[in-house]
Amino acid sequence: DGGITQSPKYLFRKEGQNVTLSCEQNLNHDAMYWYRQDPGQGLRLIYYSQIVNDFQKGDIAEGYSVSREKKESFPLTVTSAQKNPTAFYLCASSFRLLTQNTEAFFGQGTRLTVV
Amino acid sequence: GENVEQHPSTLSVQEGDSAVIKCTYSDSASNYFPWYKQELGKRPQLIIDIRSNVGEKKDQRIAVTLNKTAKHFSLHITETQPEDSAVYFCAASSNFGNEKLTFGTGTRLTIIP
Repeated sequence: DGGITQSPKYLFRKEGQNVTLSCEQNLNHDAMYWYRQDPGQGLRLIYYSQIVNDFQKGDIAEGYSVSREKKESFPLTVTSAQKNPTAFYLCASSFRLLTQNTEAFFGQGTRLTVV
Repeated sequence: GENVEQHPSTLSVQEGDSAVIKCTYSDSASNYFPWYKQELGKRPQLIIDIRSNVGEKKDQRIAVTLNKTAKHFSLHITETQPEDSAVYFCAASSNFGNEKLTFGTGTRLTIIP
């Protein structure tokens, strides 16, 4: 199944609550990424991490937070400050993109709905 | 930062005909250009990629061309089949500093039987 697992597949949250999306990989990849997918807007980068204990903001980081305490794990927290959190969230991982014959693998996604 | 534009947003072709999707990028340092296919309700999956030391790469019915001078690259699908119907995304990445993949907005390809 690609070795990268997101959970849960569907998530419902009440307004004002924080929620954490899980992403785990067993591919020994250095880099991990979080994308948000909305209809007609493609994949927009939220946060990414090249190594453990280091991460960078992507294009739409406001209202989100991440941690990278372990190489295998890159959880994403959607905070109450995110004004429009309902979306499909995709996690991906890869070796450093400098490396020949490497690619980014995606998890199956988490669909978050705020009710 | 990098900006990737993708056209068209929707494309319908008769089965057996060819389909072409085009992308442009802004960062001249970008040197890795993958294409992903996403079927309905599924994760994006890599179908082909090209690095900036080559101008064209082919894999059976799929080919990608790259023009670094003009900063654009294209996906070509020949002899299209119904199973080619999906959303296709292009992306670009540089290898300077922190590498990240920047995606285009996607093309919904529909193959008409």
